[in-house]
Amino acid sequence: EAQVTQNPRYLITVTGKKLTVTCSQNMNHEYMSWYRQDPGLGLRQIYYSMNVEVTDKGDVPEGYKVSRKEKRNFPLILESPSPNQTSLYFCASSFSLAGGPWGANVLTFGAGSRLTVL
Amino acid sequence: SQQGEEDPQALSIQEGENATMNCSYKTSINNLQWYRQNSGRGLVHLILIRSNEREKHSGRLRVTLDTSKKSSSLLITASRAADTASYFCATDMGNTPLVFGKGTRLSVIA
Repeated sequence: EAQVTQNPRYLITVTGKKLTVTCSQNMNHEYMSWYRQDPGLGLRQIYYSMNVEVTDKGDVPEGYKVSRKEKRNFPLILESPSPNQTSLYFCASSFSLAGGPWGANVLTFGAGSRLTVL
Repeated sequence: SQQGEEDPQALSIQEGENATMNCSYKTSINNLQWYRQNSGRGLVHLILIRSNEREKHSGRLRVTLDTSKKSSSLLITASRAADTASYFCATDMGNTPLVFGKGTRLSVIA
């Protein structure tokens, strides 16, 4: 089944304890992206990647790191989490910004990772 | 950078009624997409309309696009309880990532 898999789905951690949220897709997509969703603020993009070894900042990159060493994986790293990073995180992927059957950036989302930083 | 803004923020209707939600945006687009999110879950792509199209249908969904007014509407006909979700528009300006609005929360009461 074509899907984007995120882990963990739920995590409670403490301030300053480094954590990684993994994201993997099995659709051979070039484009991958991380979003955070907060009440009243909608979806805000953290980082995105157009292809292996190519990453760019989104709207809210502060406090996050990413890497794209393989096409299928795009982990989100919080080096020193703080309470304001408590949020619902989504990974998403697509063929490319203008590729695939749609000729457009149609995203497939993961199920989400709910992170609480105490 | 918030490009699309949905209206209303929340909508409550009876089962069987039609639900209409609107999206306004600011700059020229290549296409506009609508996504659905069931509570706390990942977004699911519903429909895409290109800038040279005025109307698209998919099952009970009808999307219109007015590029002169920079607005789109999503109509769900004969709503069901299972349509209860948040609906987001996303604007695609070409070689930049999608930009999502804040969403409309739809409640369909049985």
